Amino acid sequence: SQQGEEDPQALSIQEGENATMNCSYKTSINNLQWYRQNSGRGLVHLILIRSNEREKHSGRLRVTLDTSKKSSSLLITASRAADTASYFCASHQLGANSKLTFGKGITLSVRP
Amino acid sequence: DTGVSQDPRHKITKRGQNVTFRCDPISEHNRLYWYRQTLGQGPEFLTYFQNEAQLEKSRLLSDRFSAERPKGSFSTLEIQRTEQGDSAMYLCASSLDRAAEAFFGQGTRLTVV
Repeated sequence: SQQGEEDPQALSIQEGENATMNCSYKTSINNLQWYRQNSGRGLVHLILIRSNEREKHSGRLRVTLDTSKKSSSLLITASRAADTASYFCASHQLGANSKLTFGKGITLSVRP
Repeated sequence: DTGVSQDPRHKITKRGQNVTFRCDPISEHNRLYWYRQTLGQGPEFLTYFQNEAQLEKSRLLSDRFSAERPKGSFSTLEIQRTEQGDSAMYLCASSLDRAAEAFFGQGTRLTVV
């Protein structure tokens, strides 16, 4: 079963705007990861944030983690048409071997 | 290329046939995973190997499914007596450590007709 829920399910913005995507999860985690998937392709790892971290940056990406609320957010700044894709959060549960539990994903459309 | 590779990329098969997919992980990664993804959903965990040992299997992995990782390198996923409900994207991933980022292949899209 899928542990996480992303919000919103779909997001459409204009190029240059910021995109904020939210994710909630249910159990305690070691880390939370965000992935991007272009249509019909594999997943590309974007960023990993550990349970003892609150914020992390990578280029135009900013991820926050609130373990008390069991939630995370992914911010993409100055979006580009090439950012159009589906975005997934995946949690690595505390005590789990190594598997990731994914949400259903957010479809982001960036209009040129 | 040092990424995860999967073969074939696409497979169309008739119901009842057997199919086998192959995954070659990143060479230094000892952990290998199989996931299944249906349209509009996130990937769902199927099974996990550490080196050649299969350490965890999901309830999704019925007795028609079998996975192997001989010698702890490449892995195969076989589906016997395929059903239409098996149609999905089958994704392979590998990682270096237990809680490290996983790197995914491009997937094998299976269509059962």
